[in-house]
Amino acid sequence: AQKVTQAQTEISVVEKEDVTLDCVYETRDTTYYLFWYKQPPSGELVFLIRRNSFDEQNEISGRYSWNFQKSTSSFNFTITASQVVDSAVYFCALSETSNKFYFGSGTKLNVKP
Amino acid sequence: GAVVSQHPSRVICKSGTSVKIECRSLDFQATTMFWYRQFPKKSLMLMATSNEGSKATYEQGVEKDKFLINHASLTLSTLTVTSAHPEDSSFYICSVLETGGSGGRQPQHFGDGTRLSIL
Repeated sequence: AQKVTQAQTEISVVEKEDVTLDCVYETRDTTYYLFWYKQPPSGELVFLIRRNSFDEQNEISGRYSWNFQKSTSSFNFTITASQVVDSAVYFCALSETSNKFYFGSGTKLNVKP
Repeated sequence: GAVVSQHPSRVICKSGTSVKIECRSLDFQATTMFWYRQFPKKSLMLMATSNEGSKATYEQGVEKDKFLINHASLTLSTLTVTSAHPEDSSFYICSVLETGGSGGRQPQHFGDGTRLSIL
């Protein structure tokens, strides 16, 4: 079964629009970590955030914000006032006690000028 | 600065060639490293867990004899794609787990990836 589901395959928005990328996860571990990574066309993974399972506080970093809700097993990512440079593939990932990473299928974000 | 160095960043070679990819931990010793594979426009899939001084643990469906992993030191793991064929063309990424702690608490650092193209 898929441990991390990113239902949105591709999203296109116009610059300055807000956009939310969805992530739903599945785990039986009580201790786990959730991540978001950005992958530009060059391929490297750019770390955005790490959240542990005991910290449900939402976090804001500049134009980025994350909404972690254990009740719905979701860890959504919102970009406010999107910019063309935000165009990339975004991956949500889960790390359990094994330290293995389980990545979602990714959401390709296209921000048009 | 970079915590993990992955080399080479890009390889183009003929079918039948064996290709070695290196993953180096620059800032700390790493008993555990991971190798991932990403097909075009697809997600990253874990191939194997590389353990220093012991055999790698492969995920289901990954051919051990095809993808040889050697983790001979605390700072270096290598992935060798043996007798590579066009279907092995992919993006390979390693990650390094900082030692200490347990249960997913250690930071994990990713290399920049190797784009392998087999002609």
